[in-house]
Amino acid sequence: AQSVSQHNHHVILSEAASLELGCNYSYGGTVNLFWYVQYPGQHLQLLLKYFSGDPLVKGIKGFEAEFIKSKFSFNLRKPSVQWSDTAEYFCAVNAWNNNDMRFGAGTRLTVKP
Amino acid sequence: DAGVIQSPRHEVTEMGQEVTLRCKPISGHDYLFWYRQTMMRGLELLIYFNNNVPIDDSGMPEDRFSAKMPNASFSTLKIQPSEPRDSAVYFCASTADSLYGYTFGSGTRLTVV
Repeated sequence: AQSVSQHNHHVILSEAASLELGCNYSYGGTVNLFWYVQYPGQHLQLLLKYFSGDPLVKGIKGFEAEFIKSKFSFNLRKPSVQWSDTAEYFCAVNAWNNNDMRFGAGTRLTVKP
Repeated sequence: DAGVIQSPRHEVTEMGQEVTLRCKPISGHDYLFWYRQTMMRGLELLIYFNNNVPIDDSGMPEDRFSAKMPNASFSTLKIQPSEPRDSAVYFCASTADSLYGYTFGSGTRLTVV
């Protein structure tokens, strides 16, 4: 079965700093990749997704992620974070022929004003 | 569309009691998922259904947990008897196709004392 690793447990940044959150997955076949965000006390919301085409995908709120197949990675980036980006971020993967999505452990982002 | 609707939002119960969590997926979504979120284990997939049929229940912790989907618009997750270690936030999610990602409900925060 597929699995996901997120290397950073907690990231603390100041406003306007650039963000990169790491995500690696393990699965030998074709995958669909996702980033979700969970604001404090709320449910998970989809930030962006990749399933084919341009490996650089853009999502909502200025986030983007790059799929690097050779590295089994799908890192999330944002050039300039805001205080309102404080949340937990989850990377997720499912095999192309399987609707069973697996989530990483999450990375908590704290943005200092 | 009202999104994925879960009830109750919060549940506090005594150890040994039966707990029933409810979920109404988005109309037209054929897949329904139950996840459990804890600080220690992150997001765990418990079970998922396709067209009301359980497809994979390998994540269900033990026989105390059971899930049903009697029709396309309703699912339940039951814990009997409940234990303090079951305390967590339980999320329901649905999708028409995993390519689109999942839509999550607001979750049920369960506390077993």
